[in-house]
Amino acid sequence: DADVTQTPRNRITKTGKRIMLECSQTKGHDRMYWYRQDPGLGLRLIYYSFDVKDINKGEISDGYSVSRQAQAKFSLSLESAIPNQTALYFCATSTSNNEQFFGPGTRLTVL
Amino acid sequence: GENVEQHPSTLSVQEGDSAVIKCTYSDSASNYFPWYKQELGKGPQLIIDIRSNVGEKKDQRIAVTLNKTAKHFSLHITETQPEDSAVYFCAARGSYNFNKFYFGSGTKLNVKP
Repeated sequence: DADVTQTPRNRITKTGKRIMLECSQTKGHDRMYWYRQDPGLGLRLIYYSFDVKDINKGEISDGYSVSRQAQAKFSLSLESAIPNQTALYFCATSTSNNEQFFGPGTRLTVL
Repeated sequence: GENVEQHPSTLSVQEGDSAVIKCTYSDSASNYFPWYKQELGKGPQLIIDIRSNVGEKKDQRIAVTLNKTAKHFSLHITETQPEDSAVYFCAARGSYNFNKFYFGSGTKLNVKP
């Protein structure tokens, strides 16, 4: 859905490198999320944010950090990437009634 | 926290047949249960949802049922078509934090023409 965009769409990097994944939305939603998807494990919540001044850890936040630069922008960083962070990453936004809208995903490979 | 289990992991049906995907959850206080469809190379998209104050909801060929006592909910797709082929995820909203969702592991549905 073009309303939630993610960059890059694909990234290959090496162990120890710092990586930033970016998410932008034009839906005007206050709530934004970062999920990780692994085969057979569904989606797991990394971080979420209710507004620019609010950041919350999800189930698997270790090794990740986030920045909410504006209502429309929410970035996910891997300070020192490791191979088990190879996964598909999704950004999502939500309405007040909790319907979530997902971006197209970023496929990250850490060698 | 909430634990959501989803079955089966793969499902193959003939075009025109029905498909059923089942999920169970552990937190009896969870009150919102969405279903998502994920097509290849795309993010999940909400297709139907149900809240704990109703037992069934329909939208054309798609329906969801909820059994609060047994803590399970199911997705029913009737008259399946090849374009229904995708990965389907169930989810439950956490009761202690209404902004946290817990997802099932996904079901890959293949509709054979």
